[in-house]
Amino acid sequence: SAVISQKPSRDICQRGTSLTIQCQVDSQVTMMFWYRQQPGQSLTLIATANQGSEATYESGFVIDKFPISRPNLTFSTLTVSNMSPEDSSIYLCSVEFGGVSGANVLTFGAGSRLTVL
Amino acid sequence: ILNVEQSPQSLHVQEGDSTNFTCSFPSSNFYALHWYRWETAKSPEALFVMTLNGDEKKKGRISATLNTKEGYSYLYIKGSQPEDSATYLCARLRSSSNYKLTFGKGTLLTVNP
Repeated sequence: SAVISQKPSRDICQRGTSLTIQCQVDSQVTMMFWYRQQPGQSLTLIATANQGSEATYESGFVIDKFPISRPNLTFSTLTVSNMSPEDSSIYLCSVEFGGVSGANVLTFGAGSRLTVL
Repeated sequence: ILNVEQSPQSLHVQEGDSTNFTCSFPSSNFYALHWYRWETAKSPEALFVMTLNGDEKKKGRISATLNTKEGYSYLYIKGSQPEDSATYLCARLRSSSNYKLTFGKGTLLTVNP
């Protein structure tokens, strides 16, 4: 299975600032996914990061707020821009990888817990 | 049901107890259901992928069943241990043509020694 390194693991940020989260995979993967879990809410897909093209955003998420880079097949970044307290969440990157009984599942990083003051 | 719903939201059991919790999802246009375990400060870890109505999967003391016609899945843990303490997430695959999952809010299980 793939191993994902994600950083920072946690951070405390000031309102109005931006923070970039990095995700490194030990294998080449076609698609990388960025999820968010706000307190008490479900894990929600923000966008799919595609190598060589713009990221595909889910309804309710926009590029200006969550710019994504995907310079190669093993790395991606997610920036949370102009943060407000509502952006306090756990952010996770994930990749699709064969695993459970041959079916493809998501492998996740350990997450980045952001607190915005 | 429009979204993936899990119940109960949280659960406390004693070591050695068996327990189960529920995942409900829209029964139309079903492709697959995933179960993940998420321990605090760790990555979510895949437990099962279920695709067929009547599917039963087992991994050690943990098992899961699937009813796609009525839109629910049960996760069972036999003889709970403190190391089973985690949030258990279920997720529905949205379509067969991409790899996007809709997650429930999870069930937080705490096993007391």
